[in-house]
Amino acid sequence: QKEVEQDPGPLSVPEGAIVSLNCTYSNSAFQYFMWYRQYSRKGPELLMYTYSSGNKEDGRFTAQVDKSSKYISLFIRDSQPSDSATYLCAMKGEAAGNKLTFGGGTRVLVKP
Amino acid sequence: DAMVIQNPRYQVTQFGKPVTLSCSQTLNHNVMYWYQQKSSQAPKLLFHYYDKDFNNEADTPDNFQSRRPNTSFCFLDIRSPGLGDAAMYLCATSRDWDTQYFGPGTRLTVL
Repeated sequence: QKEVEQDPGPLSVPEGAIVSLNCTYSNSAFQYFMWYRQYSRKGPELLMYTYSSGNKEDGRFTAQVDKSSKYISLFIRDSQPSDSATYLCAMKGEAAGNKLTFGGGTRVLVKP
Repeated sequence: DAMVIQNPRYQVTQFGKPVTLSCSQTLNHNVMYWYQQKSSQAPKLLFHYYDKDFNNEADTPDNFQSRRPNTSFCFLDIRSPGLGDAAMYLCATSRDWDTQYFGPGTRLTVL
């Protein structure tokens, strides 16, 4: 079993819909949680960064972390065709030197 | 704008012919990473430099090596590329173990 599980998709939604993405993980030591967006043939771009449990909102993006369930989510409101990309979750522990553990990415397609 | 730059963006090499990929950064971050990402897969960490200290992942093949001549630059050397080494190679940087910022990647094709 992988440390971080993420549905590969593709997830296809109409423009304006809410996109809901999630990851589950098994390592209770993870404390920092990130979402990266990766366009085709480009490098990952950091979207959201949260520490421990709770919600964080930034514009159309909301990240949620539920450590008790080992479950994180990313919501994209009012989705646009430009949101079409692969979304990678990533996480790491508290100790210095801990490296990122990535999910496999979910491919999202927002149709006009 | 402060950024992570990778050159070239596309590299074609022949089976067994050494190749070097380059990464530079203007963020003045002390940690630099090299990842390999194959199609539809998560990035896989190959190694990282914490300042001048080199750290190799246990499962990184010996065929892959790295150099960091100064804070701003880091190189990935593939001594004898095989067909299985065709992938996107991503460079990332961070200040200590804080958020990692990625470059645009170099797509390597091995003929």
